[in-house]
Amino acid sequence: KAGVTQTPRYLIKTRGQQVTLSCSPISGHRSVSWYQQTPGQGLQFLFEYFSETQRNKGNFPGRFSGRQFSNSRSEMNVSTLELGDSALYLCASSRLWTSGSKIVGDTQYFGPGTRLTVL
Amino acid sequence: GEDVEQSLFLSVREGDSSVINCTYTDSSSTYLYWYKQEPGAGLQLLTYIFSNMDMKQDQRLTVLLNKKDKHLSLRIADTQTGDSAIYFCAESKENGNKLVFGAGTILRVKS
Repeated sequence: KAGVTQTPRYLIKTRGQQVTLSCSPISGHRSVSWYQQTPGQGLQFLFEYFSETQRNKGNFPGRFSGRQFSNSRSEMNVSTLELGDSALYLCASSRLWTSGSKIVGDTQYFGPGTRLTVL
Repeated sequence: GEDVEQSLFLSVREGDSSVINCTYTDSSSTYLYWYKQEPGAGLQLLTYIFSNMDMKQDQRLTVLLNKKDKHLSLRIADTQTGDSAIYFCAESKENGNKLVFGAGTILRVKS
């Protein structure tokens, strides 16, 4: 079974530009989560999508947005890039199932990441 | 708060056991995870434990969970140079799909 794939692997942009990153989950996984990894802040949760809807959101400004398509592939977009947005952006996929009225997540598998450098 | 805490650095000799410790905050977390990250790479899921378990063993890896103290540990038996990496502990929140990570423990294995 193919793992989580992310494109592109490396990206260089300048301040003020926008960028779109793509993530294809493991086949059968319908939940996609995004994380930002920086030396200063470590690994931080950005948002999670399931069935084309944002289910959870971290504490990031509105410049960070995402979406999910009907085939579960997800994209994240960062507008008006700042130097501090330079980071490794990681995508993770997992299955979800319902337990009574609750939606419960399964283990998350990560892709190799997209290294974004903002100059 | 949402802090997951880990020791920052561990150095061991090849063939010894390594023990990486972690404390977490949310007693309602369903899963607790250990991930490994090698330089320039993404996160590799090593193992995980359900919150209703005390111990899980998987080949050279042993995870111990003390729910009362909210303490998690990862023991790597017969540590090899290929085990040199950063190890992250994570707890799950928000019905499982928001992971809160520790800062990572750098494991250095000396030959």
